[in-house]
Formats: sequence, C-alpha cells, structure tokens
Amino acid sequence: DSGVTQTPKHLITATGQRVTLRCSPRSGDLSVYWYQQSLDQGLQFLIQYYNGEERAKGNILERFSAQQFPDLHSELNLSSLELGDSALYFCASSMFGPGELFFGEGSRLTVL
Amino acid sequence: AQSVTQPDIHITVSEGASLELRCNYSYGATPYLFWYVQSPGQGLQLLLKYFSGDTLVQGIKGFEAEFKRSQSSFNLRKPSVHWSDAAEYFCAVGAGGGADGLTFGKGTHLIIQP
Repeated sequence: DSGVTQTPKHLITATGQRVTLRCSPRSGDLSVYWYQQSLDQGLQFLIQYYNGEERAKGNILERFSAQQFPDLHSELNLSSLELGDSALYFCASSMFGPGELFFGEGSRLTVL
Repeated sequence: AQSVTQPDIHITVSEGASLELRCNYSYGATPYLFWYVQSPGQGLQLLLKYFSGDTLVQGIKGFEAEFKRSQSSFNLRKPSVHWSDAAEYFCAVGAGGGADGLTFGKGTHLIIQP
C-alpha cells in the first residue's frame, strides 16, 4: 500500500460527459502529480501541484483541469469526454525535493 | 526536452536466469534516474533511483542498475529472476526536486517462463 488513495477505481461514462477523479496523497506529501496511462501513449505526465499551487504542466488537454485543496487532496476534472480519453489515470505524491513518487492504484476511465 | 527509450517491448526469461532491461535517456544535465515496476492492476512502485555518487545502485527485490554517462544508459539487472518478477518495468528520468514530473519510457513487459 503506497498510502495514495484514488477514487473511483473504475468509471464508465459516455462521450461528451464530465467526470471528476479524486486523489488523497500520502500523509505529509505536499506534491501531487497526475499521469495518464494508455496503450498507445504510455505514461504521460499531465500536471503537478505543490501545496495548493500549480507547479508544472505537461501534456494536459484544455478540456482537463485539476486543483489541489487546502487539505492537499487533489481532483482531476475531465470534460467533453471523447473515446480517446479512455485510459488509466494515476495520481502520485511526493515530498518536494529529489525523491520518489508514490503512486495510487489508478482510476480506470472508459468512455463509450 | 528529456526523453527515455526502452528498446525492448517484451522480454521473456526463464525462472532462475539473469535479467537485464535496457534504458537509454536523453537529458541535458545530470539526470535523476528511476526504475519503477507495475504489477497487473496495480500502481507503480519504485525499485531504485540514481541521483549522484556510486553509479551502481541497489534497489528492492534484488534489483540493481548501473548508470553509464558515456552511454546515456541506466540498465536494470537481476541475477536470478523469480516468477513473481513478471510485470511491466518502466525507466524514468527527472529534472530533480520532484518538479516537472518524471518522463517515463514506454515500458518493458517481462514474462517469466517456468
């Protein structure tokens, strides 16, 4: 158990819909990262938050947004969903500084 | 921009045999390098990391990796694999400080033959 909790574990929705994925980082970790894993693209870094502030942005679509709340949990919002958004979305956390990322078990999104 | 190449998509190894998974990176400065393992239905778990110092690093589960700057490589090794090592292995490079996320390779799927 990494200590990172992601909900929901599975989500099935239709094109055009909006979903929210939630992540609770390990106790004490200030940084939260979101990654998208798909068969064709592999693991893609989406966005990082540190103590409530956006720290770095990767290959995140404009239809996607995220935030980190004062209690340090984070949410990834995916809107106007397309079939190609079907993927496994991982959240990871770390203490700021050179170190390892602790990954949650992921949220599998299926868009029909 | 940093990048990671794992040239082997699949590798099949007999149980008890040695293992080497290849990783090449591209990064302008001294990289922070990582190997992660992903078991089916699970998140990624860190096996080992290299920041500086000794170029041969030891990790969990009997894995080790060697950083070779001249070859821009960070290959993962294990002297004797177990059936439980069957998983997806990812090499990653980071800019350090945990910032900007890690850039992952496409992964190598390890199959263990009995």
